[in-house]
Amino acid sequence: NAGVTQTPKFRILKIGQSMTLQCTQDMNHNYMYWYRQDPGMGLKLIYYSVGAGITDKGEVPNGYNVSRSTTEDFPLRLELAAPSQTSVYFCAIQGPDTEAFFGQGTRLTVV
Amino acid sequence: QQQVKQSPQSLIVQKGGIPIINCAYENTAFDYFPWYQQFPGKGPALLIAIRPDVSEKKEGRFTISFNKSAKQFSLHIMDSQPGDSATYFCAASRDSGNTGKLIFGQGTTLQVKP
Repeated sequence: NAGVTQTPKFRILKIGQSMTLQCTQDMNHNYMYWYRQDPGMGLKLIYYSVGAGITDKGEVPNGYNVSRSTTEDFPLRLELAAPSQTSVYFCAIQGPDTEAFFGQGTRLTVV
Repeated sequence: QQQVKQSPQSLIVQKGGIPIINCAYENTAFDYFPWYQQFPGKGPALLIAIRPDVSEKKEGRFTISFNKSAKQFSLHIMDSQPGDSATYFCAASRDSGNTGKLIFGQGTTLQVKP
């Protein structure tokens, strides 16, 4: 029972490249979230999902896309990487009567 | 616009001291205020949370004080230990904590010296 698994842990991208950050959960929770964390800025919500097939924008969605085809997976897609997307990305899950539980994060650098 | 403002940005205390981290919010629709603790290389983990119908909540050495009229809340760590050295984030939500749609403060890096 790993809870939330994020892959990769680290990645360096060149400007204009694309990539997908993976998030998988084994808790069967409906709610899943993507946050980004920048130094001195706290965490900001990018996208979230309340269940399979349902996604919605958070506070900072520009430059990202998500999908939720299954309860377990909530991948985050960067189509044209930009230096402003250098950040640490956290996936979180939440079930009924539970608190938000965060993964270990993906550290992304765009050069 | 930062909806949740956290201070100080960093804090150094001696072992046994009582660090205090403060947060202020603007949106009166917020109804759930958690604190998260984050160690280097790890994701944030829930430490303690409060709802606006109470003015104080204690869990072990951690206490939240909540002032609804001032729209402020703070975290106190009693008898702080070197193992408490971490980054602390306050947060707020409008969903009574039923969703993980959180607005975070900027974070406070705490160092507890032995």
